[in-house]
Amino acid sequence: SQQGEEDPQALSIQEGENATMNCSYKTSINNLQWYRQNSGRGLVHLILIRSNEREKHSGRLRVTLDTSKKSSSLLITASRAADTASYFCATTGNQFYFGTGTSLTVIP
Amino acid sequence: DAGVIQSPRHEVTEMGQEVTLRCKLISGHNSLFWYRQTMMRGLELLIYFNNNVPIDDSGMPEDRFSAKMPNASFSTLKIQPSEPRDSAVYFCASSSDPYTGELFFGEGSRLTVL
Repeated sequence: SQQGEEDPQALSIQEGENATMNCSYKTSINNLQWYRQNSGRGLVHLILIRSNEREKHSGRLRVTLDTSKKSSSLLITASRAADTASYFCATTGNQFYFGTGTSLTVIP
Repeated sequence: DAGVIQSPRHEVTEMGQEVTLRCKLISGHNSLFWYRQTMMRGLELLIYFNNNVPIDDSGMPEDRFSAKMPNASFSTLKIQPSEPRDSAVYFCASSSDPYTGELFFGEGSRLTVL
C-alpha cells in the first residue's frame, strides 16, 4: 500500500467476542484514523486519534497509537454480526493514505 | 446534506472508450480526494485538490487519467482511452481539512472495461 498495512488481513470470530486489528505505517503522521467499509459501499469514518494521544475510546471501539513503533490497534468489544466489514487505517501527514485493510467476519 | 454524490454508480465500457466519473462534494468542504480500489492494490490515492487546486497528482497512473475541479463543489475524473486494467471501484471523498480532517466518501463508481 502507499502507506500502511493492517494485520491480520482476515479475521473471523464469534458474536460477542472481541476483535483486534493492527495497523503499521511508515512515515510521521498528524493523526491516524480508522474507517469501516461494508461490502459494496463507501468508507465510513469511525474514530480519529491524534499523534500526541495514546488511547481513545468511542462506544465499543478502543484505539491505541504507538508513534515510536509506528503502529496502531483497533479493538471492537462485544462484536456483533453487523460489525462484519473491512476496516482500514488511514494516516494523515501530507496526504491521506490508507492501509490494506482487515476483513472482519462476525459469526452469529 | 446528502453527502458526497458520485455518478455513475456502475459503468461498463469497451477498451478505448472515454470514461468520465463525476463527484459532488459536501457543501462547505474544500478538499477533494480521488481513490481507486482493487483487490490487488487496495485503496490507492490518485489525486487530491485543496480549494480547487490540484495539490498532488503523483498517484495518477498515467497520462490517460485526468482530473478537474471546475468549481468548489464538483469534480470529474476522466480516463481516455480506457483499458481493461482500469477496471476498479473509484471513490471520491471530501473533507474540510486535507491534512487532519475526517474524510467523507461517496458510494463509489464501479468501472468495468471490457
